[in-house]
Amino acid sequence: EVQLVESGGGVVRPGGSLRLSCAASGFSLDDYGMSWVRQAPGKGLEWVSSINWNGGNIGYADSVKGRFTISRDKAKNSLYLQMNSLRAEDTALYHCARGAVAGRWAYGTDVWGQGTTVIVSS
Amino acid sequence: QSALTQPASMSGSPGQSITISCTGTSSDVGGYSYVSWYQQYSGKAPKLMIYDVSNRPSGVSNRFSGSKSGNTASLTISGLQAEDEADYYCSSYTSSTTVIFGGGTKLTVL
Repeated sequence: EVQLVESGGGVVRPGGSLRLSCAASGFSLDDYGMSWVRQAPGKGLEWVSSINWNGGNIGYADSVKGRFTISRDKAKNSLYLQMNSLRAEDTALYHCARGAVAGRWAYGTDVWGQGTTVIVSS
Repeated sequence: QSALTQPASMSGSPGQSITISCTGTSSDVGGYSYVSWYQQYSGKAPKLMIYDVSNRPSGVSNRFSGSKSGNTASLTISGLQAEDEADYYCSSYTSSTTVIFGGGTKLTVL
């Protein structure tokens, strides 16, 4: 079964750091572009970051550029999001998602994890 | 970058067809064939309904279809059913190597 499972969320003070993980099963992460998408409580979807299938093309939302870093580990078949200098407005449910078509960027995402919650509060 | 523009809410009766619009610019919707549509039930992860403007993933009902004209993309749901009541989001790739979502449309089936 194709599945994504996120972990690493929690409560952190403003200015702190967290590292989110996304474990993939049922497919090879190396074959697909991957994305992180977040949703603040009661709000809409917000794209955070994406990485190309071969890691050669990475994009970030302006709201997180310079603070967040997306990466992947082939051996662990996992995707990561390193989040530094966290702000209250980063509070959200963070989903990882798989690109709908193998061998390219994650223009559309067809497999989503259930998400991990990040709360930034003093 | 501002979000793509979607109507905040729409409603329709069972059996009817409805079309949700998603308006962007020539730097996103109008410039690329990478528009996607997602359905989201409250408390659940989004589900991909349409990708690359008009392609349906395996398992998605053919009552859902997508199209694009200029800077506006559209999702049409035909033969509306009670189970279609959900939030719908569009998204598009942009010229800045980013992805942008619409604000979401709450669909009510009367």
